[in-house]
Amino acid sequence: QVQLQESGPGLVKPSQTLSLTCTVSGGSISSGGYYWSWIRQHPGKGLEWIGYIYYSGSTYYNPSLKSRVTISVDTSKNQFSLKLSSVTAADTAVYYCARVNVATIPPAFYYYFDYWGQGTLVTVSS
Amino acid sequence: IQLTQSPSSLSASVGDRVTITCRASQGISSYLAWYQQKPGKAPKLLIYAASTLQSGVPSRFSGSGSGTDFTLTISSLQPEDFATYYCQQLNSYAWTFGQGTKVEIK
Repeated sequence: QVQLQESGPGLVKPSQTLSLTCTVSGGSISSGGYYWSWIRQHPGKGLEWIGYIYYSGSTYYNPSLKSRVTISVDTSKNQFSLKLSSVTAADTAVYYCARVNVATIPPAFYYYFDYWGQGTLVTVSS
Repeated sequence: IQLTQSPSSLSASVGDRVTITCRASQGISSYLAWYQQKPGKAPKLLIYAASTLQSGVPSRFSGSGSGTDFTLTISSLQPEDFATYYCQQLNSYAWTFGQGTKVEIK
């Protein structure tokens, strides 16, 4: 059973960089076949996709956050990480990591988020 | 691509048939997933590719639709189904979610 666990500071000062790590167990990131993603949820609000990374290091980011986001992977530790720079109070949210699976239903490929971490609340405040 | 769910909330009784609609601002073929989220918990995948039931999800959940209009149906609402439901499009970047539909006890 695949499990994901987010970790990192729960409080970040404005203008600083938010850094979170997602540790994957029950499966190897380097085995390929999946993408590894970050999603956030503002308090009491809906979900916002931040971006994903493949084990090879290729990434794709939400254009609305692209200038401030970096997602990286450390296959030796079976972890992937999120850095969000120049944070403001608007970045206060629960941050989730998730696995993106791909189903082949010819002739198309369908993505979906099948495993999620429990989420971690990050508050931006001085 | 914007996703608009309706209704935003609903009240229903155990045993009721519940239908939630998700409309996309442009065609997304069948690149749509549905998730259930309970308070304080991560979302749980219910359906992907618009109508494919995720393994382990009860068969009372079903999805349909293609293009711009999609529905999630719960055929007979159970006590554990009271939650917020989100649709998500994975047709084009940035992947986006609907605003959610909260299903409450009547």
